[in-house]
Amino acid sequence: DTGVSQDPRHKITKRGQNVTFRCDPISEHNRLYWYRQTLGQGPEFLTYFQNEAQLEKSRLLSDRFSAERPKGSFSTLEIQRTEQGDSAMYLCASRLTGSYEQYFGPGTRLTVT
Amino acid sequence: QQQVKQSPQSLIVQKGGISIINCAYENTAFDYFPWYQQFPGKGPALLIAIRPDVSEKKEGRFTISFNKSAKQFSLHIMDSQPGDSATYFCAASTKGYSTLTFGKGTMLLVSP
Repeated sequence: DTGVSQDPRHKITKRGQNVTFRCDPISEHNRLYWYRQTLGQGPEFLTYFQNEAQLEKSRLLSDRFSAERPKGSFSTLEIQRTEQGDSAMYLCASRLTGSYEQYFGPGTRLTVT
Repeated sequence: QQQVKQSPQSLIVQKGGISIINCAYENTAFDYFPWYQQFPGKGPALLIAIRPDVSEKKEGRFTISFNKSAKQFSLHIMDSQPGDSATYFCAASTKGYSTLTFGKGTMLLVSP
């Protein structure tokens, strides 16, 4: 257990529904990252925050995706109008500024039917 | 464009043998190279990492070898155990751009 927690661990939803995932980073880690991992692939970067500021978004993050970190602590990732192609493991990682190490949570497995 | 290429895609090693996984990168600005271990249904766990100012780093049975001129690095698992059976990912990042770029992974099976 790295100390990064994610909720829920599994989510099954029907196409067109909205879903929201939560990530709680390691306390005092001010950088928070979201990645997406599909079967047989390595994680791919989606977006990251330094404190409450969203500093970068990947091209993978379509306008149906939105992420927030309102108080610089936990973060949420929302997917609107889900599509079958959104089925993946959504991973959250956190890091302390000044260090390189990123620690990942257990992930949220999304299945869109 | 895949910036980190990992091989082999899968690997079977006998218990007690040495597992070797290789990665090559293109971006010379990369200055941090971690390896992650992932079990099915779990998130990636940081295993060991290296900076380019050293050519080798060892932690227990795990060793990273780094060749800056060839832009390659590898993970060696000595005395491989069945519990090491997992998917291993190499990754890279830069100090100024800290998001990790991952390889596609190597599925390691250590046979008893």
